[in-house]
Amino acid sequence: EIVLTQSPATLSLSPGERATLSCGASQTISVYLAWYQQKPGQAPRLLIYNVSSRAAGIPARFSGSGSGTDFTLTISSLEAEDFAVYYCQQRYDWPFTFGGGTRLEI
Amino acid sequence: QVQLQESGPGLVKPSETLSLTCTVSGGSISSQYWSWIRQPPGKGLEWIAYISNSGSTNSSPSLKSRVTISLDTSKNQFYLKLTSVSAADTAMYYCAGYDHSNYLRHWGQGTLVTVSS
Repeated sequence: EIVLTQSPATLSLSPGERATLSCGASQTISVYLAWYQQKPGQAPRLLIYNVSSRAAGIPARFSGSGSGTDFTLTISSLEAEDFAVYYCQQRYDWPFTFGGGTRLEI
Repeated sequence: QVQLQESGPGLVKPSETLSLTCTVSGGSISSQYWSWIRQPPGKGLEWIAYISNSGSTNSSPSLKSRVTISLDTSKNQFYLKLTSVSAADTAMYYCAGYDHSNYLRHWGQGTLVTVSS
């Protein structure tokens, strides 16, 4: 099973700042990585797929990068609604797995 | 706009079978892959199983012997059965579906299932 390790576990920032979230895979996953945002009481929402493609309706301040085993989600300028938990997910090999999450807090 | 809605009992007794239904609206269940994901309270996400539009399935190795996923195209529904449940199966259960990206674009609101006597 491919293990995804997210860091940091918690990230404390202010609106307007830049957020950088990391996801490391236990083996290469090519480009088969996505990022999801989850707010309290809600289902996850797909933000980024295949490392760097934004899902429909996702603002341009969200971007993804990386390859192989190391990946990054960047939020260029935080807005109030961006404070949430973020998960990475791989679909390179079954079982598809999620990282443990990064909590982005004010 | 594709919408998903989970339904099923919120309370299941230990050793019994958890059965959930996901109803898909706004799109055909024959067009995509469909999945069940769960999230224990305060914890992360676990992919339970998926079923393709042709009916092929795959389940998490850790749950494989207890999981059945199936679909009914005539009802635009797909299903999860998890046998021999224990307290460790207490979680929010989400049904979800792919879009063209082959990632989980569409999600239900989730249904909380508690395993307790």
